[in-house]
This record gives sequence, structure tokens and C-alpha cells, in this order.
Amino acid sequence: EAQVTQNPRYLITVTGKKLTVTCSQNMNHEYMSWYRQDPGLGLRQIYYSMNVEVTDKGDVPEGYKVSRKEKRNFPLILESPSPNQTSLYFCASSSGIGYTFGSGTRLTVV
Amino acid sequence: EDQVTQSPEALRLQEGESSSLNCSYTVSGLRGLFWYRQDPGKGPEFLFTLYSAGEEKEKERLKATLTKKESFLHITAPKPEDSATYLCAVGYSGTYKYIFGTGTRLKVLA
Repeated sequence: EAQVTQNPRYLITVTGKKLTVTCSQNMNHEYMSWYRQDPGLGLRQIYYSMNVEVTDKGDVPEGYKVSRKEKRNFPLILESPSPNQTSLYFCASSSGIGYTFGSGTRLTVV
Repeated sequence: EDQVTQSPEALRLQEGESSSLNCSYTVSGLRGLFWYRQDPGKGPEFLFTLYSAGEEKEKERLKATLTKKESFLHITAPKPEDSATYLCAVGYSGTYKYIFGTGTRLKVLA
């Protein structure tokens, strides 16, 4: 089944403890992206990647890192999470038309 | 400032009562306008991409249209299963940077 897989689905962590949210797609898509979704603010793009080793900032990149070493994987790294990064995160991939989204990761930073 | 605005924020319809959702945008260098559907607790699901003014796309009871400044999602004779949040997004020419609107929450009553 064609899909974008994110892990974990739920995560509660403490301020300052580094974490990684993994994302993998099995559709051989070139383009991948990370979003956060907050009530009243909608979906905001964090980073996107147009190919292996090619990444660029979206609208809200501060506090996040990404890497694209393989075509199928696009992990999101929070080096020192803070409470304002509590959010619902989505990974997505695309062949060039619309994005296919993962099921989301609900992150709480206390 | 580039932005995407959706209206109304929320809409309640009786089953069979047709209506339209609006997405207006101010973006320099539009690559495409995208419509998604999002069900509670799930990632957005891609519906349509529109590339140029005058273009139309249809899928079942949904029809999307595009002008130079806005897009409409027309819902004809909706059913309760059409209840969801409908999101529009614009993509920038030459990149995979996206801006999403905050969505229209649609409730169709039986």
C-alpha cells in the first residue's frame, strides 16, 4: 500500500531533550515536506526537500533540523525542544502534483 | 505579504443543499493551487490541483475552479460523508514551498 509512515504517533517529552520524528515513504517520491498544525493557525510548512541532499526552509523552520540522505526518508529533528513546539506534525511526500500526508505525530513538550 | 484566506470558517448544510467554499490568495509566482480534505485526527487527503485561471476539475460531488485571485470549491447535493475540513494551499513557482489556508469546516446534516 502506498503510504507515508511517521513514528511515533504520540510523544510526550521534556524541554531540552533532543528527539527525532521519523518519516518514510514507499512511493519513490522526489519531494518531501514537514508541517505543523496548530488551532487557528492551520498547517505551516517547516522544511521541504526537492531531492536527496536538497532541503530548504518553509515558513517556520526555527528550532527544527532535517536531513535527506535517502530518497525514502526525511526525519525531523528537534535539538532542544521547547513548549511552543507542542503541536501536531505531519510529514508528506509528492511526485509533483499533490502531497500524500502521513497520519501525524502529536508532540507535547512539558 | 503572501497569504491564503479561506471563507467561511465553518459551514452547516442540509443534505442536498449545494454551496461553495472560497479560497483567495495573494502570492507572487503561483505554481499551482491545491485542495485537500481533512477528517478529524487524520492527515489531509489530496483532492485537486489547478494551475491556471479558467481551469476546472471535478470529482464526484466536488468541482474546483480557479481565477487569477481566488478558487472555489463547489459542493453539489452534499451528503453527510462530505463533512470534513477543506483546505486550500498555494505552491510557489520554482520551489516546493507551500502556504495553506486555515480551512473551512463543513458539516452536512442528514
